[in-house]
Amino acid sequence: EIVMTQSPATLSVSPGERATLSCRASQSVSSNLAWYRQRPGQAPRLLIYEASTRATGIPARFSGSGSGTEFTLTISSLQSEDFAVYFCQQYNNWLTFGGGTKVEIK
Amino acid sequence: QVQLVQSGAEVKKPGASVKVSCKASGYTFTSYSMHWVRQAPGQRLEWMGIVNPTGGYTDYAQKFQGRVTMTSDTSTSTVYMELSSLRSEDTAVYYCARDSGDSSGNYFDYWGQGTLVTVSS
Repeated sequence: EIVMTQSPATLSVSPGERATLSCRASQSVSSNLAWYRQRPGQAPRLLIYEASTRATGIPARFSGSGSGTEFTLTISSLQSEDFAVYFCQQYNNWLTFGGGTKVEIK
Repeated sequence: QVQLVQSGAEVKKPGASVKVSCKASGYTFTSYSMHWVRQAPGQRLEWMGIVNPTGGYTDYAQKFQGRVTMTSDTSTSTVYMELSSLRSEDTAVYYCARDSGDSSGNYFDYWGQGTLVTVSS
């Protein structure tokens, strides 16, 4: 099973600032990686797929990069709705998720 | 718009079974497979399996094989997930999530609101 490790576990950021989240795979997943945002009490929402492609309706402040084992999600200017938990998911070999990064208000 | 509406919360005793439903609307039901993913308290999301509404093909995570059954009803655009021999560790929020249909692989473009299943004696 491919293990996905996200860091940091918690990220404290002020509104309007930039956030950078990391996701590492235990073996290469090529570009078969997605990112999701989950607000409290809500279902996850797809943000990014194929490591860097924004999903329909996702604003340009979200960007993804990386391939192989190292991936990054960047939120260029945090809005109030972005304070949430973010998960990465690989779909190269079965389907596994990272443990999540909580982005909180500083 | 695409909507996935799940059935309500359940409380079950250890050893019992639970069946969760997920009613789809806003798209052609038979054109997309559906996954089930669960999230236990304090744990990461966990993929359980996939069901293809066309023909009923299923594939389950090894961890759940023998205990989970996923089915679909095209007449009502509803998929079901039944989990048997419940234990306390099965206490979790269960989500249905639509497969993107992307040829590159399986990720989830729409999710249901989640169903809390509590297993307690």
